[in-house]
Amino acid sequence: DAGVIQSPRHEVTEMGQEVTLRCKPISGHNSLFWYRQTMMRGLELLIYFNNNVPIDDSGMPEDRFSAKMPNASFSTLKIQPSEPRDSAVYFCASSRGLATNNEQFFGPGTRLTVL
Amino acid sequence: GDSVTQMEGPVTLSEEAFLTINCTYTATGYPSLFWYVQYPGEGLQLLLKATKADDKGSNKGFEATYRKETTSFHLEKGSVQVSDSAVYFCALSDGQAGTALIFGKGTTLSVSS
Repeated sequence: DAGVIQSPRHEVTEMGQEVTLRCKPISGHNSLFWYRQTMMRGLELLIYFNNNVPIDDSGMPEDRFSAKMPNASFSTLKIQPSEPRDSAVYFCASSRGLATNNEQFFGPGTRLTVL
Repeated sequence: GDSVTQMEGPVTLSEEAFLTINCTYTATGYPSLFWYVQYPGEGLQLLLKATKADDKGSNKGFEATYRKETTSFHLEKGSVQVSDSAVYFCALSDGQAGTALIFGKGTTLSVSS
């Protein structure tokens, strides 16, 4: 089992540039979650999808952030324009569904540095 | 709203010491409770879970009991190893919100030989 795949693993960009983070969930999982982790704020849920439909995006910090899930095997998180305060590790996770006790499987994360 | 509070870290122990990491929660419904572990440079992975009051989750020598009366889910291990060094996250999933996990801030554990 390949697990959740994220790319790139590391991204360094300059302020104002567009950044796109990619995620491939585990096959058969129909819920997908994007998280951000920083020292200051800990782990934050940004948005999650069920059956490719966004369910809750209340955690998306600003309009500069957007996420899509065009099909069951791919999702993107885009930041445009990026700012230094967006520097963080971004995790994608997937689960079999939205039942309360379903385990979420996390990818290895993308470490984003905005200069 | 729902929330999770973990003890502040870092926690520094010697090998074979007893570990407790405290976790308390606030929830309006009947949440499921989880402990996730994050090893350096990796994503989080589920360590154990409990879905109802008085359930005990256990895995790899770690245990936690869902205590509704004290709204707690403390993580324990009788004898830690150097390989247990990691960040530990307590989390809850409110049934009303689906599986949108609410995480604590995480507790860093460092075990020395």
